[in-house]
Amino acid sequence: RKEVEQDPGPFNVPEGATVAFNCTYSNSASQSFFWYRQDCRKEPKLLMSVYSSGNEDGRFTAQLNRASQYISLLIRDSKLSDSATYLCVVNPSSTLGRLYFGRGTQLTVWP
Amino acid sequence: DGGITQSPKYLFRKEGQNVTLSCEQNLNHDAMYWYRQDPGQGLRLIYYSQIVNDFQKGDIAEGYSVSREKKESFPLTVTSAQKNPTAFYLCASSNGLAGFDEQYFGPGTRLTVT
Repeated sequence: RKEVEQDPGPFNVPEGATVAFNCTYSNSASQSFFWYRQDCRKEPKLLMSVYSSGNEDGRFTAQLNRASQYISLLIRDSKLSDSATYLCVVNPSSTLGRLYFGRGTQLTVWP
Repeated sequence: DGGITQSPKYLFRKEGQNVTLSCEQNLNHDAMYWYRQDPGQGLRLIYYSQIVNDFQKGDIAEGYSVSREKKESFPLTVTSAQKNPTAFYLCASSNGLAGFDEQYFGPGTRLTVT
């Protein structure tokens, strides 16, 4: 079983829509969780960390459900510039010094 | 400006040649990482180093070698033993030794081997 699994999409939504991505992780002892954004042919960039209590950054909300071992990312009022691939990232803590990246979920926002 | 630099951005080599990809960071980060990304695939870890003069194999280390002689630098050599070297190579660094901290990426090097 993979450490991190994501629905690859693609998700195609109109501007202004709300879209949610989920990601599951296999190691219940995982300690750190992140969402990264990767534009086409570019490097991944940190979008936000995910905290146990959930956290929000503008139009973006991240949630962690430890009981079900999943992480979610909610994007409200989608913009054209949100079009990218979103990577779910987990540190399983059993292996020091590394993160595990999901394959990513592709989002396209259309006008 | 602090950040991670990778050079060159594009690299072309003939099959059978070794090639070294550069990665430099001025963030004063202890840990550095090399990933490979193929089209439609996730990031796969090649090697990582948590401290100078020490490094560990990742999931796909065969055909690659690294060195960590300075904190700022973590070059990756793609050897002729790597069967499918054409890919997008990404270098990253992080502040925490335990791997709990987020990683920051360089702009990547696209390697094409023909």
